[in-house]
Amino acid sequence: SAVISQKPSRDICQRGTSLTIQCQVDSQVTMMFWYRQQPGQSLTLIATANQGSEATYESGFVIDKFPISRPNLTFSTLTVSNMSPEDSSIYLCSVGRQGNLQEQYFGPGTRLTVT
Amino acid sequence: GENVEQHPSTLSVQEGDSAVIKCTYSDSASNYFPWYKQELGKGPQLIIDIRSNVGEKKDQRIAVTLNKTAKHFSLHITETQPEDSAVYFCAASMAAGNKLTFGGGTRVLVKP
Repeated sequence: SAVISQKPSRDICQRGTSLTIQCQVDSQVTMMFWYRQQPGQSLTLIATANQGSEATYESGFVIDKFPISRPNLTFSTLTVSNMSPEDSSIYLCSVGRQGNLQEQYFGPGTRLTVT
Repeated sequence: GENVEQHPSTLSVQEGDSAVIKCTYSDSASNYFPWYKQELGKGPQLIIDIRSNVGEKKDQRIAVTLNKTAKHFSLHITETQPEDSAVYFCAASMAAGNKLTFGGGTRVLVKP
């Protein structure tokens, strides 16, 4: 499986500010995804990030709040904009396995606390 | 859209005993069912998966069964060990490249 890294691993931010989370993969992948995991909860898909096209957002998530970039096949960023304490969560990127896109592998996550 | 329910939410077992986690899904179009293990402070790790054309799959101490008619699938862990303690998530997906819908998670505690 691909090796996935995320930066930062954790951060504490003030409300009203924005944070950009980076996801780096050690091999080229077609599909990348961003998930949110609120404290003690399950994973919820924010959006699918596709290289060469705009991200596809799930219901309840909008581009103005969670802009996503996908400049190439190994890298993506998720920005959490105008943060509030309700944005405190773990943000995870995942990648689809090449040749078997249904398999997904997750990065270590970014733990965000908004004060 | 797809809805995945997972039970139980917590499971405590004695070391060496078996653990079973059950999930149900709502959309008969789902055809891929992975299980993830998440340890504290880490991202979810894919531990086993099953596709709709298979009824059972084993990998050492873990196995997954799928009943398409009833739309449920289960994770079985035999001879549990303390390192099996973690949160386990089931998920369902409808097509290649499509999103995963996760169950609510099961916190498993293996008591030595």
